[in-house]
Amino acid sequence: DQQVKQNSPSLSVQEGRISILNCDYTNSMFDYFLWYKKYPAEGPTFLISISSIKDKNEDGRFTVFLNKSAKHLSLHIVPSQPGDSAVYFCAVPPGNTDKLIFGTGTRLQVFP
Amino acid sequence: DGGITQSPKYLFRKEGQNVTLSCEQNLNHDAMYWYRQDPGQGLRLIYYSQIVNDFQKGDIAEGYSVSREKKESFPLTVTSAQKNPTAFYLCASSIAGSGQPQHFGDGTRLSIL
Repeated sequence: DQQVKQNSPSLSVQEGRISILNCDYTNSMFDYFLWYKKYPAEGPTFLISISSIKDKNEDGRFTVFLNKSAKHLSLHIVPSQPGDSAVYFCAVPPGNTDKLIFGTGTRLQVFP
Repeated sequence: DGGITQSPKYLFRKEGQNVTLSCEQNLNHDAMYWYRQDPGQGLRLIYYSQIVNDFQKGDIAEGYSVSREKKESFPLTVTSAQKNPTAFYLCASSIAGSGQPQHFGDGTRLSIL
């Protein structure tokens, strides 16, 4: 029973363009949604989060959009840079606990 | 510098052996977690601890054990009962509370000889 799904395993974007990473969830009771970025052989690093009472949160080049009616979350990166090439995970706290459930990740490649 | 330290970075285990992965944090976080990552998969929760001397099983706790004797330390033992231990293991910590970002170490890659 996957509570959070990232249906695109990979995405390739040209430098300077927008990258859009998507995440779908099943439980409408989640309070927060988080995005993490992971380079190979390293731990994930927290990128940005959004509360369920908002529909948008922006931090520099990164913006997260939340569509509660569609149970859909997206991360926009603009402009994309080669250093953004990594695996991106969305994550949610089940039962409003300290735990996180992670999606399977989307590998973003930004090419020149 | 505050952070989470996992050691060793690479670990090899013989069949039938128990091995212990170290995780230390100096962020003064109450909660600590262990995850496992397999190729093409997300992170799956093994065990977590919200307070010293207390811990709970995650989704895939079978074949693993933990202890939380100190706030800073949350070692994970991969026992011989874990039939498929080859994976990338990640430790994390966070402030208590729903939605708090977890901070991760750089992981330990465990392989079976």
